[in-house]
Amino acid sequence: AQSVTQPDIHITVSEGASLELRCNYSYGATPYLFWYVQSPGQGLQLLLKYFSGDTLVQGIKGFEAEFKRSQSSFNLRKPSVHWSDAAEYFCAVVADNYGQNFVFGPGTRLSVLP
Amino acid sequence: DTAVSQTPKYLVTQMGNDKSIKCEQNLGHDTMYWYKQDSKKFLKIMFSYNNKELIINETVPNRFSPKSPDKAHLNLHINSLELGDSAVYVCASSPQTVDDPTETQYFGPGTRLLVL
Repeated sequence: AQSVTQPDIHITVSEGASLELRCNYSYGATPYLFWYVQSPGQGLQLLLKYFSGDTLVQGIKGFEAEFKRSQSSFNLRKPSVHWSDAAEYFCAVVADNYGQNFVFGPGTRLSVLP
Repeated sequence: DTAVSQTPKYLVTQMGNDKSIKCEQNLGHDTMYWYKQDSKKFLKIMFSYNNKELIINETVPNRFSPKSPDKAHLNLHINSLELGDSAVYVCASSPQTVDDPTETQYFGPGTRLLVL
């Protein structure tokens, strides 16, 4: 069965520091990969997605992610974190041709220190 | 305008009751979804539904049933509520066509259900 793991439950970084959130997936074929962010009391918002082409994907709010097939990873990065980035981040994989089987990782909570 | 909306935002009820959560999308999407987000923030899909097909996650108890009065709505009805049903229920929609299975899902803000 398809699965997504996010090894870090909670990460704390200082404002202005760089950030990397890890995501690993388990799926036989090429997956469709997504990163979503959930701010307190808000719905999930798409940051970026990958399904083919360039393995380095640019998203909104200055985020990027790199797909590495050899490592089954899709890590999210940001060069300089802002206090408003504090939120819960979810990696997700769509694992069938009709995109109806969305599997989410357990999420990583990001705290930002002033 | 809110793309995917849910009502109510909060729902507190007693064990054994029957309740419904409503979801509406104004994006003209063909497919809608219900997810359950537990206390550890883990999102798990419960149903996906379009005008052709209902796909049910086999782990979902049959006390849960989606009802779609029209393409823009997918309500979640829960019978005989149990303590373990307490969670945030999140609705989503997507254009979801065979031509582009990578279409993004758009999520509602969630309904926080507390069963006492």
